[in-house]
This record gives sequence, C-alpha cells and structure tokens, in this order.
Amino acid sequence: GDSVTQMEGPVTLSEEAFLTINCTYTATGYPSLFWYVQYPGEGLQLLLKATKADDKGSNKGFEATYRKETTSFHLEKGSVQVSDSAVYFCALSAYVIQGAQKLVFGQGTRLTINP
Amino acid sequence: EAQVTQNPRYLITVTGKKLTVTCSQNMNHEYMSWYRQDPGLGLRQIYYSMNVEVTDKGDVPEGYKVSRKEKRNFPLILESPSPNQTSLYFCASSSGVLASSYNEQFFGPGTRLTVL
Repeated sequence: GDSVTQMEGPVTLSEEAFLTINCTYTATGYPSLFWYVQYPGEGLQLLLKATKADDKGSNKGFEATYRKETTSFHLEKGSVQVSDSAVYFCALSAYVIQGAQKLVFGQGTRLTINP
Repeated sequence: EAQVTQNPRYLITVTGKKLTVTCSQNMNHEYMSWYRQDPGLGLRQIYYSMNVEVTDKGDVPEGYKVSRKEKRNFPLILESPSPNQTSLYFCASSSGVLASSYNEQFFGPGTRLTVL
C-alpha cells in the first residue's frame, strides 16, 4: 500500500541554520504531496503542497520539490527561526473507493530551534 | 471564522465507560474524517464520511463508531474504551471528495484521550 517515510527526529538546530527534513514515499499512481506543521498544542496546518512531478511548493520560507525519479519530497528552509519549532509531517493523497481521497502520513519529525 | 472544533480537548476515563468526542465544522464541507496520532506512527485514519449518512472504515476502525446525521457534525464514539485507545485524536474536513482534485483538509485542535 501507499506509505510515507520521514527522517527520524528529534532534530535540534541553532537559529539561522539550514534545515532539511527528508521524506520519501511509495505510491501507486501519481499522488499529491504535502507538508503539514503542528505547533505545540494545536492541530495540523497545511504548510505547502505539490500536485505533480517537478512542482515546487513553498510557504513561509519553506520549500519542497516533488521528485518522481527519487520518490522524494524533502522539506528545506535556508534560515530557521525559533518560531519554526514544531512537528512536521510529510503526507500524500491516496485514492480510496468511490473516488474519495485520504491522507497517508509519515511518522512526523520534531524540530527544535535554539536561539 | 472557518474552523473545525472538537470537544472535549482533554479526557481521562476508565476502561469500558462509553464516551463520545464531538467534531463540528462551519465550512459546509462534505468530507470529514477522524485520525489518531501515536508516537512514531504519524496519523492514521479511523473513519471517514463523504456526506450525510455515508461513512466508511479507514485504516484502524476497530473499537470505534461514527455517525453523520448532519453535514456539520461527525462524532466519534468509543463504546467500550480500552487502554490501547489512549491517543491524540484529530477530526478533519474538506470541501470535496473527488479524486480528480485534492481539496485541502482542515484539522481540529485535537482531543487527548487517556483510558486507564
């Protein structure tokens, strides 16, 4: 079945460091890919998405490129801030019966940024 | 404000005592879903609903029930909770269900359930 694998956390960085969180996927067909962010005590928020190969999603300084050849969707940011501390989830859209879609999530990566 | 609300936010209960977690959305969304989040496992889908009176099992439905009598509400029912249902639960909704286009899922704030 469809699955998503993220790099294991926790990840701890200093402010202004470069961030990469790796994400690879296994899927039938051509899924859309997503990064969600979960700030402490809150629900998940969509951070960015890409719907086809070579698309680049971007938001709030974060970027990820849909790489079909390597089945990857790595999250990057050039200079992280303390406010980026959160749990990040990579996800793909998978088809279920009758045309409905569902999200398949990776296990999440906890990111902590120290001042 | 467009939102998904869940109640309660925190709940501690004992094995076997029936409980209901409510979920409501004010965006007139057709599609609603319940997930549970466990450390190292990410989020897994419990049940979903494509419209009123239309529900189906997700990946981990055992021990749960749902109903969709109104478009805005999608309660999660644990008839006889057990300790292995201790988890963080999220409700989500989106505006469409067609596989031809993805509609963003909006998540509630979560319900942390502890079953003793």
